[in-house]
Amino acid sequence: EAGVAQSPRYKIIEKRQSVAFWCNPISGHATLYWYQQILGQGPKLLIQFQNNGVVDDSQLPKDRFSAERLKGVDSTLKIQPAKLEDSAVYLCASSQGSHQGARYYGYTFGSGTRLTVV
Amino acid sequence: AQSVTQLGSHVSVSEGALVLLRCNYSSSVPPYLFWYVQYPNQGLQLLLKYTTGATLVKGINGFEAEFKKSETSFHLTKPSAHMSDAAEYFCAVSKSGGSNYKLTFGKGTLLTVNP
Repeated sequence: EAGVAQSPRYKIIEKRQSVAFWCNPISGHATLYWYQQILGQGPKLLIQFQNNGVVDDSQLPKDRFSAERLKGVDSTLKIQPAKLEDSAVYLCASSQGSHQGARYYGYTFGSGTRLTVV
Repeated sequence: AQSVTQLGSHVSVSEGALVLLRCNYSSSVPPYLFWYVQYPNQGLQLLLKYTTGATLVKGINGFEAEFKKSETSFHLTKPSAHMSDAAEYFCAVSKSGGSNYKLTFGKGTLLTVNP
C-alpha cells in the first residue's frame, strides 16, 4: 500500500511569512496526526483528527497555527506568521480505525517537511 | 499523564556488539509501548510495539524489547549491531483507557555503530 505522503519536503521562509504543509494519509485511515519535531527532540503532537473532526489540539499554538482535514482525507497545516522557533520537521501520521484503536494498529509516518525560518 | 524517559541521548557501540537502548515510562494505567527508528531525513518507522500479552516483543531488523511492569521499563535490544542500525531511536507510549490515546515520544537516543 502507498505510504503517508507529505509535501513539500523542504521549505525555507523568512520570519513573519506564512507557509502551508500538505498530508495525504494511507487510504482508509480514519485518524490523522500532525507532529512537530524540533532538532534534538522527540516529536510533539500538535493536532489529532478522527475523520474530519478534531480530537485533540491542546498543544497547537492557535494564534499562529491552523489545520484542517476537509472531507476526512488529506490535511493541511498552516503557520501564519512564522517565527524563528517554528524551524522544525513537521511529521504527519495516520492510523486505522478510531483514535482509541490506533494504539493496536500503530501509526504510520510520512517523511516529513523540514521547515527553516530565517 | 503518561511520559517517557530515554536514558542516554547518544549510545555508541562497535559492530557486532550488543545494542541496549533504555526506556522508562510513567503511566497510571497499563501502557501501550512503541519503539520507532528514524534514519536521516526520513520519517519514523515502527520497530515493534507492546499492547497486551507476551512481555517479550520481537520486531523488525532483529530488535526486541521486554516490557517489565515492576521496573516500568521497555528497553530495546539487539544481540549484534550492524552498521545499518545507525539511526535515532524513539520510545513512545499511548495509554489505555480514558478518552485520549495520543502517542507521546521520548527525546530519542542516537545510536552510532563503529566499524
